[in-house]
Amino acid sequence: EPEVTQTPSHQVTQMGQEVILRCVPISNHLYFYWYRQILGQKVEFLVSFYNNEISEKSEIFDDQFSVERPDGSNFTLKIRSTKLEDSAMYFCASSGMGQLGEKLFFGSGTQLSVL
Amino acid sequence: ILNVEQSPQSLHVQEGDSTNFTCSFPSSNFYALHWYRWETAKSPEALFVMTLNGDEKKKGRISATLNTKEGYSYLYIKGSQPEDSATYLCASFKAAGNKLTFGGGTRVLVKP
Repeated sequence: EPEVTQTPSHQVTQMGQEVILRCVPISNHLYFYWYRQILGQKVEFLVSFYNNEISEKSEIFDDQFSVERPDGSNFTLKIRSTKLEDSAMYFCASSGMGQLGEKLFFGSGTQLSVL
Repeated sequence: ILNVEQSPQSLHVQEGDSTNFTCSFPSSNFYALHWYRWETAKSPEALFVMTLNGDEKKKGRISATLNTKEGYSYLYIKGSQPEDSATYLCASFKAAGNKLTFGGGTRVLVKP
C-alpha cells in the first residue's frame, strides 16, 4: 500500500542552525501538508502546498520556514534558524485530489530536537 | 465552541468492554470531521471522514456518529481489544481553507 515516507526519523540540531526535513508523498497525490505537534500540545497546521506553491499557511509559518518540491517526488520543509520552541514532531501529509475535506495520508514524522 | 476539543484525554478499558469518547468542534462553516487513529511510532491513519449531519460510519468494531448542528461527534469501540490501544484524534475541516484543526486526542489503553 502506498505510504508517505519521512526522513530522518529523528533530528537533533543546535539553536540557530538550519534544518531540512524531507518527505516523499504518495506519488499521484496533488496536495501536500506539514503539521507539527509540540510535546503535550495539539497537532497544528503549518502549511499546505499545491501546484508548486503555498495554498495556505498558518501564523506559525513565518519567514523562518519554507517549503519546496524540488523534483517530482520530494517535499521539504526548511527551518532557516532553529529556535528552542521549534522542537516538535513534524508530520508530512498528502491527499489525492485536494477535494474539500478528503482524508490525509500522514508520514510517521520527524522528531526535531533543538538544543 | 471555538476550538476542537476531545474528552476524555485518556481512558483505560478492560479487554472486551465497549467504550466511547467525544469530539466537539465549531459548527459554523463546518465541512467535514475526520477521525484518525495514531499508534505510537506509526503514522496517524484515517478512520472516518464525515460530512453530513446524522452521518454514521463503521469500520469493524469502531463506529462514529456526527451532529453538525450542535458540533459534536462520538467514536465508539465495541468489545475493545489490546490492538485498539492508540491515540484517537479528531479534526475539523472548515468550508473555507484547506487545513485540518485537530483536537488534543483521546489516548485509549486496553488492558488484557
